[in-house]
Amino acid sequence: KNEVEQSPQNLTAQEGEFITINCSYSVGISALHWLQQHPGGGIVSLFMLSSGKKKHGRLIATINIQEKHSSLHITASHPRDSAVYICAVIGDKIIFGKGTRLHILP
Amino acid sequence: NAGVTQTPKFRILKIGQSMTLQCTQDMNHNYMYWYRQDPGMGLKLIYYSVGAGITDKGEVPNGYNVSRSTTEDFPLRLELAAPSQTSVYFCASILWGNSPLHFGNGTRLTVT
Repeated sequence: KNEVEQSPQNLTAQEGEFITINCSYSVGISALHWLQQHPGGGIVSLFMLSSGKKKHGRLIATINIQEKHSSLHITASHPRDSAVYICAVIGDKIIFGKGTRLHILP
Repeated sequence: NAGVTQTPKFRILKIGQSMTLQCTQDMNHNYMYWYRQDPGMGLKLIYYSVGAGITDKGEVPNGYNVSRSTTEDFPLRLELAAPSQTSVYFCASILWGNSPLHFGNGTRLTVT
């Protein structure tokens, strides 16, 4: 079983829809990161979480340490949000989820 | 700060050639990592370092070597390039667990 599981693997939605991407992990962590990678592009960090909730524009990230689960939400999704979203947990090493490929249709 | 700088951006190698992928960070981060990303796949850890003079193997170290003689630099060496090493390589660094994670822009390597 992978130490970091993301769901769904792929997601296609219409512009304007509310998007949720989930990340569950089985190891002890000091922080969790949500990353974004556009096709053929680099990797950028969206959020770093160790507890609670963070919001940046239309993006919201939450983490429940007790349940070892985090979610990334996108409100009013837009085609430019199409990318791969990756969950990474920081423990004694960095472990990445396999990513969620999001495609927003105009 | 320039962040994490990787060079080159692109490279084509012939089978059996060698090369070094450079990674430099100017944030005084202790922890540095090399990952490879195959098409449509996730990131796989090749090697990592928790400080100058200390390196350790990751998930897929075969065919690669690293060194960490300074805090800033963490080069990745391919000694005998093979087609299976065709991939995009990312270098990352972090100061400590509860701090931002930084990535280089990646090196796209093709071995033919």
